[in-house]
Formats: sequence, structure tokens, C-alpha cells
Amino acid sequence: DSGVTQTPKHLITATGQRVTLRCSPRSGDLSVYWYQQSLDQGLQFLIQYYNGEERAKGNILERFSAQQFPDLHSELNLSSLELGDSALYFCASSVGQGANNEQFFGPGTRLTVL
Amino acid sequence: AQKITQTQPGMFVQEKEAVTLDCTYDTSDPSYGLFWYKQPSSGEMIFLIYQGSYDQQNATEGRYSLNFQKARKSANLVISASQLGDSAMYFCAMREDFGNEKLTFGTGTRLTIIP
Repeated sequence: DSGVTQTPKHLITATGQRVTLRCSPRSGDLSVYWYQQSLDQGLQFLIQYYNGEERAKGNILERFSAQQFPDLHSELNLSSLELGDSALYFCASSVGQGANNEQFFGPGTRLTVL
Repeated sequence: AQKITQTQPGMFVQEKEAVTLDCTYDTSDPSYGLFWYKQPSSGEMIFLIYQGSYDQQNATEGRYSLNFQKARKSANLVISASQLGDSAMYFCAMREDFGNEKLTFGTGTRLTIIP
């Protein structure tokens, strides 16, 4: 158990819908990262928050947004869902910044868009 | 340009044998970190081992060791005395310290341990 929690574990929805994925980082970790794992794109970085502020953006679609709240939990919002958004979405957390900053991953949310 | 390359899509290894999973990387950043993660069929990503670009010695964690050859830009994972529970996908990843802190992953190697 990494200490990072993600809910829900599974999510099945229809095209055009909007969903929210939730992540609670390990106690004491200030950074939260979101990754998407799909069959065709592999594991891709989406976005990072550090202590409530957006720090880095990767290949995140405009239909996707995220935020980190004062209690450090984070939410990833996916809207106008398409079939291609079906993937495993991971949240990871780390203490902060630095060279040997390990990222610990949550169990993931498996999103299926029908 | 692909920054992390894992050239072995799949490997089959006899139980109790050692196995080496290959990883090469490309970066112009002098400071970076290299990571290996294990993903069993259940889906979670399990951190295994880390090597910093300035570390003088190869990293080791139990049965895992990282064969770091900086000049060749390779960071191979060695698993000693393989066990059936080692069957999983293994991902090599890199973080460049002068960029953002994202991890860039390779395509993975599926390791199957044969009893």
C-alpha cells in the first residue's frame, strides 16, 4: 500500500458525460501528479500540483482540468468524454521537489467510456 | 524523440534465475533521476528503485539492483533469484531535474516467470 488513495476504483460512463476522479496523497506529501495509461499512448503525464498551485502541465486535453485543495487532495475533472478517454488514471504524490523525489502511485481509477 | 527506450516487449525467465530488463534513455540535462516501477496484473504501480545521475554507486533494493552506465545512457534493472510473484509489467522512467518534475515512461517489458 503506497498510502495514496484514489476513488472511485472503476467508473463506467457514456460519451459526452463529465466525471470527477479524486486523489488523496500520502500524509505529508505536497505534490500531486496525474497520469493517464492507455493502450495506444502508454503512460503519460497530465498535470502536477504543488501545495495547491499548478506546477507543470503535460499532454492534458482542454476538456480535462484539475485542482488541488487546501487539504492537499486533488480532483481531475474530465468532460465531454470520448471513447478514446477510456484509460487507467493514476494519481501519484511526492514530498515536494528535488532530485531524488520518489513518486508513489495510487491504485488508479479505471475509466470506461461507452 | 523518445526519451526512454525499453526494447524488450516480453521476457520469459525460469524461476530462481536472474533477469536483466533493459532501459536506455536520452537527455541533455546533467541532473536527472531514473526509476523502475512494477505493474502487476492488478494494475497498481509499485516503485522499485531509484538512481540519481550523480550517484557514484549503483542503487540496490533487496533483490533489485540497477546497472547504471552513464556513458552508455543505460539503466538496466537486475532482479536476482526471480520468483513467480515477479511476473508483471516493468516500466523504466526518467525525471529531468531542470525541466518539470514529470516522469517520462518507457513502453514497458512484460516479464513472465516460469515455474
